[in-house]
Amino acid sequence: NAGVTQTPKFQVLKTGQSMTLQCAQDMNHEYMSWYRQDPGMGLRLIHYSVGAGITDQGEVPNGYNVSRSTTEDFPLRLLSAAPSQTSVYFCASSYSRDRLPSSLHFGNGTRLTVT
Amino acid sequence: KNEVEQSPQNLTAQEGEFITINCSYSVGISALHWLQQHPGGGIVSLFMLSSGKKKHGRLIATINIQEKHSSLHITASHPRDSAVYICAVTPFQGAQKLVFGQGTRLTINP
Repeated sequence: NAGVTQTPKFQVLKTGQSMTLQCAQDMNHEYMSWYRQDPGMGLRLIHYSVGAGITDQGEVPNGYNVSRSTTEDFPLRLLSAAPSQTSVYFCASSYSRDRLPSSLHFGNGTRLTVT
Repeated sequence: KNEVEQSPQNLTAQEGEFITINCSYSVGISALHWLQQHPGGGIVSLFMLSSGKKKHGRLIATINIQEKHSSLHITASHPRDSAVYICAVTPFQGAQKLVFGQGTRLTINP
């Protein structure tokens, strides 16, 4: 079991570039989610999914896009990177009961810098 | 005001001391999570609880639903316990969206 695999670990983008952060889990978890972590702000939910084909917005969805075509994968797309998206990004997954998340398993994070 | 407040924000203690980190929340919840973020950045889930108390090794988590308050205790603290401890709640409204506290940075000196 690899758990939650998140790539890349580090990325530098120029303003306006697009990229995809990959997240994959091998635990057959229904619930998957993306967070950003900024100094003094705590973790904030970007998007989440309760199963393949189902996604929804979190607290800070603007500028990000997600899809969930399989149970295993939940990629996060930055459409046109902005300096305000400089952050550390975490993917997490969990079992869910009645579509509610259980104990979260986190990826190792992606440190993104937008210049 | 944040829906989830942790105190203290920073805590420094000597090895062996009993540690308490507090979490207060303002919304009705179905569950509360305690997470640990290591200095290298990785995050692990310590506890998920909806009532009473849970224990794992030297860590104890308690929750009082009526008072909307949870505590994380560490007994016989050790320098390897140095980390950021994060409280998060699963609210009744919007239950699929966890809400996080800002974290408590704990440093245990040898």
